[in-house]
Amino acid sequence: NAGVTQTPKFQVLKTGQSMTLQCAQDMNHNSMYWYRQDPGMGLRLIYYSASEGTTDKGEVPNGYNVSRLNKREFSLRLESAAPSQTSVYFCASSGTGRNEQFFGPGTRLTVL
Amino acid sequence: DAKTTQPPSMDCAEGRAANLPCNHSTISGNEYVYWYRQIHSQGPQYIIHGLKNNETNEMASLIITEDRKSSTLILPHATLRDTAVYYCIVRVPSTSYDKVIFGPGTSLSVIP
Repeated sequence: NAGVTQTPKFQVLKTGQSMTLQCAQDMNHNSMYWYRQDPGMGLRLIYYSASEGTTDKGEVPNGYNVSRLNKREFSLRLESAAPSQTSVYFCASSGTGRNEQFFGPGTRLTVL
Repeated sequence: DAKTTQPPSMDCAEGRAANLPCNHSTISGNEYVYWYRQIHSQGPQYIIHGLKNNETNEMASLIITEDRKSSTLILPHATLRDTAVYYCIVRVPSTSYDKVIFGPGTSLSVIP
């Protein structure tokens, strides 16, 4: 099993450009999450999806949109990137029962 | 939501036990204590969790006080690879998803 995979690993954007971060999991988990982590800080939840077909806002949703394409995939879109969105983005998933979250390797995004 | 308090940083000599404290004085009866760690630049990794009994797995032990207002994560024989940020998290109960709020954590440095 690959676990949680994210693409791309690195990305540089100019202010105003758009892009989509991709996330996929092969653990048959119902719930998926997007976090951002700024230098020296903990993770902050952007959006989450409790199950296929549902999405909800987290702590810092402004400037982002998400799509739960199917049970495996959960994408994060920046419609008009801003320098304040420079961060490392982590995707995670969790199943029922113990509910621990499994994280992907992260996408390092720089917005100039 | 219950909040957690952790020391910002700790040192531990290689081969010795690392004891990482966490205060969660406002925890409610149905909230679990989870521990994750994040090795530099990687996604967070689940370590262990518990409700009120002490727990042990292949990575660590979790000691929760009888009043559940604090807990200690114990790495019995710390190695250089255990250098990481450790997050103590109280799980927010929800009927639809497992919301996890990450604080700044404790930066553990294992010293040769």
